[in-house]
Amino acid sequence: AQSVTQPDIHITVSEGASLELRCNYSYGATPYLFWYVQSPGQGLQLLLKYFSGDTLVQGIKGFEAEFKRSQSSFNLRKPSVHWSDAAEYFCAVGVRRTASKLTFGTGTRLQVTL
Amino acid sequence: EPEVTQTPSHQVTQMGQEVILRCVPISNHLYFYWYRQILGQKVEFLVSFYNNEISEKSEIFDDQFSVERPDGSNFTLKIRSTKLEDSAMYFCASSLAGGQNEQFFGPGTRLTVL
Repeated sequence: AQSVTQPDIHITVSEGASLELRCNYSYGATPYLFWYVQSPGQGLQLLLKYFSGDTLVQGIKGFEAEFKRSQSSFNLRKPSVHWSDAAEYFCAVGVRRTASKLTFGTGTRLQVTL
Repeated sequence: EPEVTQTPSHQVTQMGQEVILRCVPISNHLYFYWYRQILGQKVEFLVSFYNNEISEKSEIFDDQFSVERPDGSNFTLKIRSTKLEDSAMYFCASSLAGGQNEQFFGPGTRLTVL
């Protein structure tokens, strides 16, 4: 069965600083990988996804993530964080079949200081 | 932009009562999902649904749970006899096709069992 680990429960960065949120997955083949963001009281919004091809994927709001098969990682990055990026970020993995469920990590709460 | 909607946003019920959580998926989507998030924990898969039948369910989705698509637009989750541990945020999601296609999430229903 697949699993996802997000080692950082809480991260604080200054506005304008760069950001990297870590995600490691466990799955026997190449999975589908996703990053979702959840603002307080809101649902889950997809930031970006990796299915195949270029291992560096671009998403919305200036986010990007890089799939590294050798490290079983899919870290999320942003070069310059904005105060509005404060939220909870979830990494998720899906398997390559119809109606695949998503398996989520425990999330990383991002706090942005001004 | 089309979105998944859920009602109610917050439901309070007494232990042992039945609750029905409602979702309206995106209109041309074919696959439907329920997830839950207990406070402070990760998002967990409950069930996926396609072509009027369950595709996959987790061990959480026991006989107390059922899903239904009663008409062409709604997708419901019923908990027959609620327990305290059912208190959680319940998210509905839909996707255009299974596997590769991303899942769009609703804003969630917070269920509180007293």
